[in-house]
Amino acid sequence: GESVGLHLPTLSVQEGDNSIINCAYSNSASDYFIWYKQESGKGPQFIIDIRSNMDKRQGQRVTVLLNKTVKHLSLQIAATQPGDSAVYFCAENYVDSSYKLIFGSGTRLLVRP
Amino acid sequence: NAGVTQTPKFRVLKTGQSMTLLCAQDMNHEYMYWYRQDPGMGLRLIHYSVGEGTTAKGEVPDGYNVSRLKKQNFLLGLESAAPSQTSVYFCASSHGGGLFFGSGTQLSVL
Repeated sequence: GESVGLHLPTLSVQEGDNSIINCAYSNSASDYFIWYKQESGKGPQFIIDIRSNMDKRQGQRVTVLLNKTVKHLSLQIAATQPGDSAVYFCAENYVDSSYKLIFGSGTRLLVRP
Repeated sequence: NAGVTQTPKFRVLKTGQSMTLLCAQDMNHEYMYWYRQDPGMGLRLIHYSVGEGTTAKGEVPDGYNVSRLKKQNFLLGLESAAPSQTSVYFCASSHGGGLFFGSGTQLSVL
């Protein structure tokens, strides 16, 4: 079946640097994408979302980019902080009425002090 | 406003035992979901509900049943637990956009 996947399982960055986490999706019919952050022992936490009619969306220190041509999604975190250390998941929503999300396998972000 | 609350937080079962996980949300969301997460993996959808009295199968429904008798509650049942069902279970709810997750239930089946 179609799925969402990630290129890198672990990303290590220096505190203060920018982080980029990538995600590839295979379902061209997906119209809504979300990035989640999951800290150890906790449930996923919503970070930012983007609809398929947009290429870019910015939040506080985070930016999501969507390239529908190559079916690629990325999460950029500016001035990465130790509190950003977590596992990040991208998720896609198929075009139906259930709003269910299909998740990728996750990327672990490690921030070096 | 507690958001999404899951009970219990931890449970250990013996193979063949049954149990029910409870999820409650106080945000008046129509949509509710049960996911499981295995070590080093993403979340996989077990069952979901688009409204009170309705349920549907997700990616990995076998061995589980669900009920949505009240809008605010979504129950996940295991009739005969198997070691393969050892996992962390997350409930989520939605108003039609992003999902809001509970803190999870760690289930071990021996």
